[in-house]
This record gives sequence, C-alpha cells and structure tokens, in this order.
Amino acid sequence: EPEVTQTPSHQVTQMGQEVILRCVPISNHLYFYWYRQILGQKVEFLVSFYNNEISEKSEIFDDQFSVERPDGSNFTLKIRSTKLEDSAMYFCASSYRGLVGNSPLHFGNGTRLTVT
Amino acid sequence: RKEVEQDPGPFNVPEGATVAFNCTYSNSASQSFFWYRQDCRKEPKLLMSVYSSGNEDGRFTAQLNRASQYISLLIRDSKLSDSATYLCVCRAAGGTSYGKLTFGQGTILTVHP
Repeated sequence: EPEVTQTPSHQVTQMGQEVILRCVPISNHLYFYWYRQILGQKVEFLVSFYNNEISEKSEIFDDQFSVERPDGSNFTLKIRSTKLEDSAMYFCASSYRGLVGNSPLHFGNGTRLTVT
Repeated sequence: RKEVEQDPGPFNVPEGATVAFNCTYSNSASQSFFWYRQDCRKEPKLLMSVYSSGNEDGRFTAQLNRASQYISLLIRDSKLSDSATYLCVCRAAGGTSYGKLTFGQGTILTVHP
C-alpha cells in the first residue's frame, strides 16, 4: 500500500535556527497538509496546500512557517527561526480529492522536532 | 468550549469486553466525522468514517446524532491490539476547507488479558 514518507524521523535544533521538514506524499494525491502534535496534546491543523498554493492555514501558521512543493514529489515545511514551543511531532498528510469529496487523509509517520 | 470534546479516559478493559467512547462537537457546521486511532508516538490512522445512519465495520460501530452534536464509537469483543488512543475528528463544511480536520484530545484505551 502506498505511504506518505517523512524525513528525518527526529530533528534536534537550537532555538533560532531554521529547519526544513520533508515529506513525500502518495504519488497520485493532489492535496497536501501539515499537522502538528505537541507531546500530550491534540493533533492540530497547520496548513493545507493544493494546486501549488496554500488553500487554508491556521493561526499557528504564522510568518515563521512556509511550505513548498519544489518538485513533483516533495512537500516541505520550513520554520525560519525555531522557538522552544515549536517542539512537537509534525505530521504530513495527503489525500486524493481533499475532504470535499470525503477522500481520507493518509498521514506520514511524523518528524519529531526538538528545539533546545 | 473545546471544538471537539472527548472523555480522555483511560479506559482499562479485559479482553472480550465491549467499550463505548463518546464525543461532542461544538461547530454545528461540521459535516464529516471520523474516528482515527493513534498508537503511542505514531501517526493517526483512519479507523472509520461516521455516517448519519450509523455504520459498522466488523467489531466497530459508529453513530452520529447531529441534533445533539454527538458521536460515538462502540468496540465489541475487545482485543489486546485495540489498545490505543481513539481520536474523534470533525471537518466543517464550506470555504476552502480542503482538509482542515479538527481533532479531539483522544480517549485512551488499554485492553488487558
């Protein structure tokens, strides 16, 4: 079964540094998402991406965050200047039609980001 | 008020038991509903969608009450492998909500021998 893959599985960085989290969505999927989960808390929506542009973002997704689909396969999340409170598990997800068509989201296995 | 509210548990049940989880949502514009399961430090995985008429998938039964804004999940004949956190998830209608799922905090289930 096709999978969403994320790298790295664990990233440790110092406060103020830039990080790029990478994702390879399922190949025929058209909609891409980032979610995050702070340890012990609920999964939170960050951003959705379709047709090479952001379709929706949450209030968490401020100017420090950006997303990009640099080629036909990768989907990245960049945090420009990390803060301690950015420490979390970041999940990439993709779906074929988006939830308008009730197409389910497939989640990657996550990148654990630790900011020290 | 939380958008999606669940009893966090934990629920500790013996193998073979029947267990039910409840969830309420505050956004009346919510249109689609799901149950996901999440194993410790792993990604959420879709367990089942929840339909207005109620639906069943093997040992799992989901119910939706739109009037009460209430969703439930029933697990029959619990297995050890059912131990996980069960996430109630909603999606609001309209706009460009191509994927904005709203997750509950999750209900922890432990099934013991």
